[in-house]
Amino acid sequence: GQNIDQPTEMTATEGAIVQINCTYQTSGFNGLFWYQQHAGEAPTFLSYNVLDGLEEKGRFSSFLSRSKGYSYLLLKELQMKDSASYLCAVLDSNYQLIWGAGTKLIIKP
Amino acid sequence: NAGVTQTPKFRILKIGQSMTLQCTQDMNHNYMYWYRQDPGMGLKLIYYSVGAGITDKGEVPNGYNVSRSTTEDFPLRLELAAPSQTSVYFCASRTGTGDTGELFFGEGSRLTVL
Repeated sequence: GQNIDQPTEMTATEGAIVQINCTYQTSGFNGLFWYQQHAGEAPTFLSYNVLDGLEEKGRFSSFLSRSKGYSYLLLKELQMKDSASYLCAVLDSNYQLIWGAGTKLIIKP
Repeated sequence: NAGVTQTPKFRILKIGQSMTLQCTQDMNHNYMYWYRQDPGMGLKLIYYSVGAGITDKGEVPNGYNVSRSTTEDFPLRLELAAPSQTSVYFCASRTGTGDTGELFFGEGSRLTVL
């Protein structure tokens, strides 16, 4: 079966750095996405990785290792507004998105 | 641009009632999706469509129906509502083949069945 694993909840301090991990086992791979979802809102796109390596976008970076079935989202200089759930999703061989359950990130002052 | 528009945003249903959640997009996207999200959980795919006239079941289709008569519209029908269908429903769309797969979401429809 297809499976995506990510931690249920993480806590970090304002101004710090946090890394959210995602491991996946899917039938085929056509890219990995990270979405941010604030409570009561729809998910919004953060990043897309299809090749191995690091993609940087401002305070957020996303890393992919296809051989290890592994990705992480790195958030730097954490702000209170970064408190949200972070969803990892993989585009499989049929170009369907397989979703993880999400990681709830709590930022403390 | 409006993007993906869902209506209604909130609805309370009694057990056994039926209703339709409306979804329309103005981006000429081929692919459209309906997801449900229960509290503290990830997204579960109900139905999806790869183009007008084509629909297919997702992970949790029971109790729901869809149609796709136009590229723009993808309504979700709930027949004989049950408490287990209490959830937040998201409609989403993307361009289709050859794109990066990025989904554009509606704001969600919060449904309570009592």
